Amino acid sequence: EAGVTQSPTHLIKTRGQQATLRCSPISGHTSVYWYQQALGLGLQFLLWYDEGEERNRGNFPPRFSGRQFPNYSSELNVNALELEDSALYLCASSLGQGLTQPQHFGDGTRLSIL
Amino acid sequence: AQTVTQSQPEMSVQEAETVTLSCTYDTSESNYYLFWYKQPPSRQMILVIRQEAYKQQNATENRFSVNFQKAAKSFSLKISDSQLGDTAMYFCAFISDSNYQLIWGAGTKLIIKP
Repeated sequence: EAGVTQSPTHLIKTRGQQATLRCSPISGHTSVYWYQQALGLGLQFLLWYDEGEERNRGNFPPRFSGRQFPNYSSELNVNALELEDSALYLCASSLGQGLTQPQHFGDGTRLSIL
Repeated sequence: AQTVTQSQPEMSVQEAETVTLSCTYDTSESNYYLFWYKQPPSRQMILVIRQEAYKQQNATENRFSVNFQKAAKSFSLKISDSQLGDTAMYFCAFISDSNYQLIWGAGTKLIIKP
């Protein structure tokens, strides 16, 4: 069974540009979560999608947005990139929502802002 | 606000020794789950063990076990017979049914020495 896949592995952008990160969940998983992991810090929750709908959002500005497609894959878009957006972005998926379904993570996309 | 605190930024033990990583959390929720995830240098976040708050019995997964003290809001991870492959960042995380988002500690860097 394929795990959560994320692309690209590494993305280099300059300030003011826009970045698009992609995530394919484990087959059968309907929930997708996005997290930001800045260097040396823990994970900060960004977004949660389930069945194509945004279910919850972390404390991030509106320039962080995303969507979930009918096949449950997801995109994270970051507009007007700032230096502090440099981080590892992790995507996770789970079999539906709820507390009982653990989240399984991908390898992440390293976003570097020059 | 719900918080997770890991007070040990880094720990180091010899191979085959037992090590305990500390985690405390703060919540007023009654229904929640606690997790330990590991993140090796390969950077993929891997679920190690999880505990349901309503279960008094401590969870165990092979060499990994937890000491869950609900009243004290403490959730420590014990690794027995530590192996070189256990070297990783270990994150404690919490999720409740009030917002379904994982709240993460800052992590503990564990180094297993040969």
